[in-house]
Amino acid sequence: QKEVEQDPGPLSVPEGAIVSLNCTYSNSAFQYFMWYRQYSRKGPELLMYTYSSGNKEDGRFTAQVDKSSKYISLFIRDSQPSDSATYLCAMSVGRDDKIIFGKGTRLHILP
Amino acid sequence: DTGVSQNPRHKITKRGQNVTFRCDPISEHNRLYWYRQTLGQGPEFLTYFQNEAQLEKSRLLSDRFSAERPKGSFSTLEIQRTEQGDSAMYLCASSLTLGLGNQPQHFGDGTRLSIL
Repeated sequence: QKEVEQDPGPLSVPEGAIVSLNCTYSNSAFQYFMWYRQYSRKGPELLMYTYSSGNKEDGRFTAQVDKSSKYISLFIRDSQPSDSATYLCAMSVGRDDKIIFGKGTRLHILP
Repeated sequence: DTGVSQNPRHKITKRGQNVTFRCDPISEHNRLYWYRQTLGQGPEFLTYFQNEAQLEKSRLLSDRFSAERPKGSFSTLEIQRTEQGDSAMYLCASSLTLGLGNQPQHFGDGTRLSIL
């Protein structure tokens, strides 16, 4: 079993829909949780960065962490075609530690 | 542009050749990381530096790979005697470690290596 599991998709939703992306993990030592967005032939771009359990909201994006279930989610409201990209969940044990990534979910927003 | 800069963006080489990539981190970032990403996978950690000291190396980093950060600023990643399996995107990230503040890693756009 990999440390971080993420459904690779692809996931296609109509413009304006709410998108839900999820990851599960096995290492209970993870404390820092991130979501990165990656466009084709570009590097990962940090979207959300959270510590421990709870919710964090930033504009149309909401990140949720449930450490008891070892489950993290990213919600995108009012999805736009420009949101079409690969979304990578990521986590680390310490603040400055190496990051462990999921495989990434390819998301297509249909106009 | 004050982001992480990587050069070259794309490198094509024949199997058995040596290649070197360069990463310029965000100014004043003291931590620098190297990751490798293959098609359809997330990035995998290779190694990282705090200033000029290399503090951790993944078992993915075989003895054909060497990384340096001689003056604590830019870094180079060299692959000797390249193999087909080295074809991947090599990503560099940097972060600033300061007291108890949370400082996430910011990535460059990578160097895509293609082995013929």
